Amino acid sequence: GAVVSQHPSWVICKSGTSVKIECRSLDFQATTMFWYRQFPKQSLMLMATSNEGSKATYEQGVEKDKFLINHASLTLSTLTVTSAHPEDSSFYICSAPTSGVAREQFFGPGTRLTVL
Amino acid sequence: AQKVTQAQTEISVVEKEDVTLDCVYETRDTTYYLFWYKQPPSGELVFLIRRNSFDEQNEISGRYSWNFQKSTSSFNFTITASQVVDSAVYFCALSSYNTDKLIFGTGTRLQVFP
Repeated sequence: GAVVSQHPSWVICKSGTSVKIECRSLDFQATTMFWYRQFPKQSLMLMATSNEGSKATYEQGVEKDKFLINHASLTLSTLTVTSAHPEDSSFYICSAPTSGVAREQFFGPGTRLTVL
Repeated sequence: AQKVTQAQTEISVVEKEDVTLDCVYETRDTTYYLFWYKQPPSGELVFLIRRNSFDEQNEISGRYSWNFQKSTSSFNFTITASQVVDSAVYFCALSSYNTDKLIFGTGTRLQVFP
């Protein structure tokens, strides 16, 4: 089946630094990708929709200047957490739907971000 | 507004017991999709099932079965003869028919003891 990868799988950074997380669809093209955030023992919350060739669409309450999303190609979306703070520590998961009638959505393995 | 409620925060069973995870949803859409995902300790989401709102047939896949009741807006998940490997957090999710955005429930943590 289709595979979505994320890199890195985990990252530890100091407060104030920026962290970039990549989401790749490995064997299919995705004009849209989604970024979710999951705090410990909580549910997944949609942060934004990444659109290839245009601006990302952010969910209410998500700071677009803090969470920069770039969908540079049909197989790559990046999420940059700028000036990270301890409260940004979370599990970030991306997903990408395939196209066509038999549309399916595939999730990446997630990236665990710890901000010290 | 769309909403998914999983009232059971945590369930503990002994191996071989049957267990049902409840899911109740709210949506104004007439067409929509419902999903169940499993999240083991590794964190990676494992897709279990997708059901569209037109199809109320119950589904069985091995030890797993799903009961979709549109009249009560419920999409419950039953594991028969549970095993230790079933221990995980299970999420129910909802999406509109014309979008791939998923609204997740709060999840149910299932612990199966030997």
